[in-house]
Amino acid sequence: NAGVMQNPRHLVRRRGQEARLRCSPMKGHSHVYWYRQLPEEGLKFMVYLQKENIIDESGMPKERFSAEFPKEGPSILRIQQVVRGDSAAYFCASSPRGDRGETQYFGPGTRLLVL
Amino acid sequence: GENVEQHPSTLSVQEGDSAVIKCTYSDSASNYFPWYKQELGKRPQLIIDIRSNVGEKKDQRIAVTLNKTAKHFSLHITETQPEDSAVYFCAASKGSNYQLIWGAGTKLIIKP
Repeated sequence: NAGVMQNPRHLVRRRGQEARLRCSPMKGHSHVYWYRQLPEEGLKFMVYLQKENIIDESGMPKERFSAEFPKEGPSILRIQQVVRGDSAAYFCASSPRGDRGETQYFGPGTRLLVL
Repeated sequence: GENVEQHPSTLSVQEGDSAVIKCTYSDSASNYFPWYKQELGKRPQLIIDIRSNVGEKKDQRIAVTLNKTAKHFSLHITETQPEDSAVYFCAASKGSNYQLIWGAGTKLIIKP
């Protein structure tokens, strides 16, 4: 059973370009969470999605950031017009049902570097 | 909203000794407290978790204790080994779980 997959593992963008980060949850999981981790810091919740629905995007900046989890295919976190401050590790996690106290399993992360 | 504080930020212990990392939370409605271990450049991995209906949980050399009255929980690692060196994060959540609020992390260094 493959774990949570993320690609690319490393992404370099110049200021103003778009970054697309992909996350494939574990088989059988229909709940995806995106987190951002700055160097030397903990993870910060960004957005929680189920298939075709955004449940909670309260941790995501209102501008330039968007997320989706289509019926088919991976969840995508999109950052438009990237700035240097977007440089971070972006982790996604998945869980089967989104139940109370359910374990979230993390992917390997995408390390975004904005030049 | 929930706030999780974690101490210390760095902990250095002699191999074989015990390590204790403490976290406090602000929201008394929080009911799920996982601990994650993150090695350099790798993903966070769940090592142990505790729910608010128990006060202590143990798994081999790792244990977690929860004091709901004081709103704090601790990670205990006994007989530390070099491979325990990593950054450890506590987290707390309530209700539907997805809002995991993370502590800032503790860098654990095991000295040979």
